[in-house]
Amino acid sequence: GAVVSQHPSRVICKSGTSVKIECRSLDFQATTMFWYRQFPKQSLMLMATSNEGSKATYEQGVEKDKFLINHASLTLSTLTVTSAHPEDSSFYICSARDVGTGGIAFFGQGTRLTVV
Amino acid sequence: SQELEQSPQSLIVQEGKNLTINCTSSKTLYGLYWYKQKYGEGLIFLMMLQKGGEEKSHEKITAKLDEKKQQSSLHITASQPSHAGIYLCGADNEKLTFGTGTRLTIIP
Repeated sequence: GAVVSQHPSRVICKSGTSVKIECRSLDFQATTMFWYRQFPKQSLMLMATSNEGSKATYEQGVEKDKFLINHASLTLSTLTVTSAHPEDSSFYICSARDVGTGGIAFFGQGTRLTVV
Repeated sequence: SQELEQSPQSLIVQEGKNLTINCTSSKTLYGLYWYKQKYGEGLIFLMMLQKGGEEKSHEKITAKLDEKKQQSSLHITASQPSHAGIYLCGADNEKLTFGTGTRLTIIP
């Protein structure tokens, strides 16, 4: 299957700072990328859908000023957690839709964010 | 909004036995995905179903989508330790949302 690379895999940051997570489709172009958050022993919660060249569509309850999403190219989307607080600590996963395979969404490895 | 319920929530199966995981949607599905996740890792794509009555198989895993496109099942034959993990069904209606997940444990 297609490869999606997410970086970093783990990050620890101080409360009040911002953290950027990158999601890259390595061997295909992704017009649509999704960002999820996963709490321990729970399923994936969709945070936002980003389409290349346009503003992201955020799910209800997700603060768009807190979680900035940029999808500037067909192979890269970024999620920036601004002014992070301990409650933002979580596992964040991105996925990219590969139109070439009929729209299958392939996932990155995930980023474990710890805010101290 | 799309609601997906999976059952069972957790499953412990002896190695070599068959098992089935179910996924039920509150709405008709445009597309239904099955993924597998190891804890703390990304999701591995297993199968995508789009047509009512469709069935797909890969190695020892078979997934089916019912005619009404609101229920899907994932069946594993002769389970192995490598099948252990969290299985997630996903509904594709422009955005991709997930069910509650099923945690599968294989015991020797």
